[in-house]
Amino acid sequence: DAGVIQSPRHEVTEMGQEVTLRCKPISGHDYLFWYRQTMMRGLELLIYFNNNVPIDDSGMPEDRFSAKMPNASFSTLKIQPSEPRDSAVYFCASRMGGRTGELFFGEGSRLTVL
Amino acid sequence: AQRVTQPEKLLSVFKGAPVELKCNYSYSGSPELFWYVQYSRQRLQLLLRHISRESIKGFTADLNKGETSFHLKKPFAQEEDSAMYYCALAASSARQLTFGSGTQLTVLP
Repeated sequence: DAGVIQSPRHEVTEMGQEVTLRCKPISGHDYLFWYRQTMMRGLELLIYFNNNVPIDDSGMPEDRFSAKMPNASFSTLKIQPSEPRDSAVYFCASRMGGRTGELFFGEGSRLTVL
Repeated sequence: AQRVTQPEKLLSVFKGAPVELKCNYSYSGSPELFWYVQYSRQRLQLLLRHISRESIKGFTADLNKGETSFHLKKPFAQEEDSAMYYCALAASSARQLTFGSGTQLTVLP
């Protein structure tokens, strides 16, 4: 397995544009997480899914952020409209049920909003 | 609610010196604690967990419930240990991890 796959690896966009980040979890994993990493705040959990259903989105900063998981092998995190303060590295992670501590992370998507 | 605190954002030590990365937590129940590591240009990955009581790459961490701490230690640091380290906590029956803010360790030659 290639592990968790994220795209794009880097995204540079202008304020006000829509940004879509994508994630393919490890096959067989039934939990998927989206995290945001910044120097100031470290790793913040944005939202997570179990069996494609959003369970907790309390970490989503505001209505500009949305996430979907249409099937077990694909998830998106969308920011519309983007703002400079959204600049960060966004990580997707997945795991099997019953293995709370064993997250497998993607390589991250580095977003820069100008 | 649970909380994980890593008081040092940056930590530098010389090669061969002992290193301790601090992690304190607040949680009223029995937590599971973990350390994750992110080497330069690599994925964030699980380093060790307190339940296993294992030593990985020379690192150990002991859960001290009295002090609510889970410090990561290594007696002799190596340059390849330079990385970002995150402490994480899983509350009982929780389905997600709570991460600390991370410590960037630099081992100087």
